[in-house]
Order: sequence, then structure tokens, then C-alpha cells
Amino acid sequence: GAGVSQSPSNKVTEKGKDVELRCDPISGHTALYWYRQSLGQGLEFLIYFQGNSAPDKSGLPSDRFSAERTGGSVSTLTIQRTQQEDSAVYLCASSLGWASGSWGTDTQYFGPGTRLTVL
Amino acid sequence: AQTVTQSQPEMSVQEAETVTLSCTYDTSENNYYLFWYKQPPSRQMILVIRQEAYKQQNATENRFSVNFQKAAKSFSLKISDSQLGDTAMYFCAFMKPSYSGAGSYQLTFGKGTKLSVIP
Repeated sequence: GAGVSQSPSNKVTEKGKDVELRCDPISGHTALYWYRQSLGQGLEFLIYFQGNSAPDKSGLPSDRFSAERTGGSVSTLTIQRTQQEDSAVYLCASSLGWASGSWGTDTQYFGPGTRLTVL
Repeated sequence: AQTVTQSQPEMSVQEAETVTLSCTYDTSENNYYLFWYKQPPSRQMILVIRQEAYKQQNATENRFSVNFQKAAKSFSLKISDSQLGDTAMYFCAFMKPSYSGAGSYQLTFGKGTKLSVIP
């Protein structure tokens, strides 16, 4: 079946502008994760959704970052007033989550990421 | 907080040879999960292998196997009969499951090892 998809693949924006990054998880996956991959910080967890709820937002670096998930499927990560330090690859992953009966410890499948460049 | 350390930033191996990538982690948990992910230049993170801490038997997946030493908190990946397609960044990751509605199953990643397979 189709894997996790993300759009856009690449995004170049000017400092101060808002951006939206989209993630389409694998059909039937109830858990969804956002991670950020940057040269200086490596891979960092941002936020976790189970269904439409976000039990763990602990990784969001500032209040400029927000995310939502609708219909238990598509998720959007929004960065307001972008800064140069926001430049990174934003990765989305999904897993069966609670639907698997494994309490979310099942394998996370990743999308190809969105490379964000803030000029 | 959990930490994951990959002490080898770069490695190279001749095609058809065997290579071992090291990973150590720090946790006070008794039950957890460990993963190796591969990230080729396409950016897509691909699961290579996973290990449940409560299982003493080392996981294997075709040419990939792990040496899991729980007491030493070590989780190395061995790649046998290396192939050109194995060239990629390899990330070791840790998951502490949270058996409550407020928890998450985020992955904590090491900094990665860049593996080059030489023809």
C-alpha cells in the first residue's frame, strides 16, 4: 500500500513568513509523529498524535510551532514567523498506534520529509 | 531523559565484507525498544531492525543482525555481505513505551553513522 507522504518536498521561504507542512499517514494508522532533522541538533521529536488528540507536545521548540490533525488522518505542522534556525528537514511518521493493541510500541514508518529553508 | 550515542560518525566497508556499527544508550527503564533505521540520500527513513528489551535473543533480518547487551546498554548492528545499496546514514533509536493515555512513544535518536560501501 501507499506509504507516508509529505508535501511540499521542498519549501523556501523568507524570514518572518508563515509556512504549513502537510503529512498524509498510512491508511489505518492512528498514531502520527513529527520530527525535525537539522545539522546541529540531529533528529528531534516535536509532537505526537493519537487520533486527533496530541497527548505529547513536549518537543515543540516554541509557541511559533503548532500542529493539528483532522479526521484521524492528515496532519499539518504550522510554523509562524519563521526564523533562519527553523531551517531543517521535517519528517512525519505514522504507526498503527493503539489500534494495534501494542499500546503504540509498533514500528513507525517515515515519510520522505519536507526540506524547509528560511532565507 | 534517555540518550543515545553513536560513537562512529563515519565508516566505510568493502563490498561483500562485514561491518559493525556501535550504539550505546542510557536509561533507567527496564522495558524499552531499540531500533536501527537507515536513511539513504533520498531522505526516507527505513526501518532496518528492532529489538524488544525483554527479549534476550538478538534480532536478525536477513543480512542484518544486532548484538544486544542489556547490562552494558549496548546495541550494535552487524551488516554481513555489504552491498552498494547499504550506503546510507544509520540511526540508532530508543523508545520508552508509556502505558497511559497521556504518554507518547517518541523515538530518541543518536547522531547517526554515515556508512559508505566501497565497490
